[in-house]
Amino acid sequence: GESVGLHLPTLSVQEGDNSIINCAYSNSASDYFIWYKQESGKGPQFIIDIRSNMDKRQGQRVTVLLNKTVKHLSLQIAATQPGDSAVYFCAENAPNYGGSQGNLIFGKGTKLSVKP
Amino acid sequence: DSGVTQTPKHLITATGQRVTLRCSPRSGDLSVYWYQQSLDQGLQFLIQYYNGEERAKGNILERFSAQQFPDLHSELNLSSLELGDSALYFCASTPGQGHYGYTFGSGTRLTVV
Repeated sequence: GESVGLHLPTLSVQEGDNSIINCAYSNSASDYFIWYKQESGKGPQFIIDIRSNMDKRQGQRVTVLLNKTVKHLSLQIAATQPGDSAVYFCAENAPNYGGSQGNLIFGKGTKLSVKP
Repeated sequence: DSGVTQTPKHLITATGQRVTLRCSPRSGDLSVYWYQQSLDQGLQFLIQYYNGEERAKGNILERFSAQQFPDLHSELNLSSLELGDSALYFCASTPGQGHYGYTFGSGTRLTVV
């Protein structure tokens, strides 16, 4: 499959454990954040999003936490499964980036490896 | 299948050549975004079109250009290719201009030799 990146931080967890993936974002004016999952050979897939007026949002097995004070975002995956193995990207919407709303700035990504 | 279609999936070409990458957005989506993903730069925003018009530019080289046609499909043209242009090129679409939830295609892997 496609190799997304050879220089990514890697998180290795045991199947069934909880995973926490962290992200530091750059723009204090960013008002919307998304986590994407990218499996080998595929494009990024939406996991969960959060607006800047919230500090926590839960989905199915995933939780996103936002700390605006330190510009930090985290993704928590409960009961991690082998199918969760992928590269995870955080993305921020920085108003006026590139001259338009809706353009996302992506972080470098973290590779999650789940051991059976 | 995300609904965003990119062709071709793989492309191998020589330095100095020109290629065209194609993207069909998800049905009903008016905005198309192009991103470049390389090993050392991550996902870099290139350009956005909305309903046929250019809306935003990111880190797009002058050798690269794009357009969005009346049927809303988009093409990214890369010319005078260099080895460093080898990357994955992704297209994403959204319903409007300010709708943030991108749907990505599966990408085109460009290899310049």
